[in-house]
Amino acid sequence: QKEVEQDPGPLSVPEGAIVSLNCTYSNSAFQYFMWYRQYSRKGPELLMYTYSSGNKEDGRFTAQVDKSSKYISLFIRDSQPSDSATYLCAMSANTGNQFYFGTGTSLTVIP
Amino acid sequence: ETGVTQSPTHLIKTRGQQVTLRCSSQSGHNTVSWYQQALGQGPQFIFQYYREEENGRGNFPPRFSGLQFPNYSSELNVNALELDDSALYLCASSLDLNTGELFFGEGSRLTVL
Repeated sequence: QKEVEQDPGPLSVPEGAIVSLNCTYSNSAFQYFMWYRQYSRKGPELLMYTYSSGNKEDGRFTAQVDKSSKYISLFIRDSQPSDSATYLCAMSANTGNQFYFGTGTSLTVIP
Repeated sequence: ETGVTQSPTHLIKTRGQQVTLRCSSQSGHNTVSWYQQALGQGPQFIFQYYREEENGRGNFPPRFSGLQFPNYSSELNVNALELDDSALYLCASSLDLNTGELFFGEGSRLTVL
């Protein structure tokens, strides 16, 4: 079983839609969670960083962590064509340890 | 503030050769991690360096080795290249071991023929 599971998509939505991206994990020790956006042939760009359970909002992005269900989500409101990219979740038990990444979800926002 | 920079951006090698990839961490960051990202996959942890010492290693063979220098820049060396080593190699820096946020460079894309 993989440490982190992420639906690869592809996901296609119209401009202005709310997008929901999700990851599940198996290691209950994970408590640091990140979401990255990666454009084609570029390095990942950090979008959200959260610790433990709860919600965090930053502009059009909201990250949710449900540790009891081992499930994390990223919501994108008012999606824009520039949001078209691959979204990666990452998580770790400790900041000094390795982060485990999902395989990424490919998102296309259609104008 | 300068972000994470990596060099070279692209390179092509043949099986059995050796390669060195370089990374300059973000200003003020003393921790560097290296990840391998195969096509269509998420990044896989290779190893991490903190203040010039290796601080953890993923499931990669010993022919993957690294260094961190006093200015916190870093190198990744891969010996005896195999076809499966073809991937995007990503360097990420973080402020220190207690700060989890990883800031990635654009990567070095290695093709092994």
